[in-house]
Amino acid sequence: NAGVMQNPRHLVRRRGQEARLRCSPMKGHSHVYWYRQLPEEGLKFMVYLQKENIIDESGMPKERFSAEFPKEGPSILRIQQVVRGDSAAYFCASSPPTGPSSGYTFGSGTRLTVV
Amino acid sequence: AQKITQTQPGMFVQEKEAVTLDCTYDTSDPSYGLFWYKQPSSGEMIFLIYQGSYDQQNATEGRYSLNFQKARKSANLVISASQLGDSAMYFCAMRGFDGYSTLTFGKGTMLLVSP
Repeated sequence: NAGVMQNPRHLVRRRGQEARLRCSPMKGHSHVYWYRQLPEEGLKFMVYLQKENIIDESGMPKERFSAEFPKEGPSILRIQQVVRGDSAAYFCASSPPTGPSSGYTFGSGTRLTVV
Repeated sequence: AQKITQTQPGMFVQEKEAVTLDCTYDTSDPSYGLFWYKQPSSGEMIFLIYQGSYDQQNATEGRYSLNFQKARKSANLVISASQLGDSAMYFCAMRGFDGYSTLTFGKGTMLLVSP
């Protein structure tokens, strides 16, 4: 039973390019969450999605960032026109729909470096 | 809104000794869950232990136990018989029990276990 799969593991982009981060949740999990971790910081919530629905995007920057979780395929976090400040580790997590006592299962993260 | 505070940026402990990592929280939710995660240098987030706010007993998982004091709003992690492999960042987190609550993290405590 594969865990949460994130790819790529490392991503380097030049300023102004687009970054696409992919996340496949655990089998049976229909809730996906994206978090960002800056160096020496904890994880900051970005967005919570269910299939074809954005449930909570209160942590997403208003511009350049978007997320989707289509009916088929992985969840995608997209960052347009990246800037140096976007350099961070981006973690995806998933949980089953069974209730809030369920912890999240995290992927290994994507380390984005903007040069 | 939920807030997690971890006041210890770093802790040192000798192998085989016990260590307590502090966590206090603030929330207006009447019921909630508290979680601890471990992040080793390799970067992945590993779930350790869960405590529900209405659980009568403190949670235990092997060498991990959670010292839950609801009136003080504290949820300290106790690691008994520390091992070298316990050296890592440790994050306390919480989520409310409404349908769409997401996990809020503290800034973490770096634990170093020495031989």
